[in-house]
Amino acid sequence: EAQVTQNPRYLITVTGKKLTVTCSQNMNHEYMSWYRQDPGLGLRQIYYSMNVEVTDKGDVPEGYKVSRKEKRNFPLILESPSPNQTSLYFCASSPFGATGVSYNEQFFGPGTRLTVL
Amino acid sequence: GEDVEQSLFLSVREGDSSVINCTYTDSSSTYLYWYKQEPGAGLQLLTYIFSNMDMKQDQRLTVLLNKKDKHLSLRIADTQTGDSAIYFCAETTGTASKLTFGTGTRLQVTL
Repeated sequence: EAQVTQNPRYLITVTGKKLTVTCSQNMNHEYMSWYRQDPGLGLRQIYYSMNVEVTDKGDVPEGYKVSRKEKRNFPLILESPSPNQTSLYFCASSPFGATGVSYNEQFFGPGTRLTVL
Repeated sequence: GEDVEQSLFLSVREGDSSVINCTYTDSSSTYLYWYKQEPGAGLQLLTYIFSNMDMKQDQRLTVLLNKKDKHLSLRIADTQTGDSAIYFCAETTGTASKLTFGTGTRLQVTL
């Protein structure tokens, strides 16, 4: 089944304790992205990647890191989490970049609910 | 700049039509999208429209685009309880590497 998977689905942690949220897609997509969803703010893009070893900042990159060593994986790293990073996080992938057109349909993972105490 | 706005909440009766509205500020938008988020799930693409179109129909869904007013709407005909969800509009501009989402509209369908 074509899908985007994220782990863990739920995480409660404490301020300052480094964590990684994994994201993997099996659709051979070039493009991957991370978003956070907060009430009243919609989805805001954190980072995106057009291909392996190519990453760019989105709208809210502060406090986050990403890496794209393999095409299928795009982990989100919080080196020193803070309570304002409590949110619902979504990973997404898209064949955009390989198609040569500006259409960018994204396929979303199920989300990771993170609470930082 | 890019800013996409939606009203937060809409309540309709089952069988009625729902109209969800979205305004955007970036006149260089190329594609505009509607995504649906069901409770506890990720987003799924419902439909999209290219910026040189002003209407697109897909079964119960009708998308209207008014480029002059930078206004996008999604009409759902014969709304069902299964349509209860959060609906996000989104746009891509320029190189389309970035997708900007609206704030989301929660649709509640009552019996």
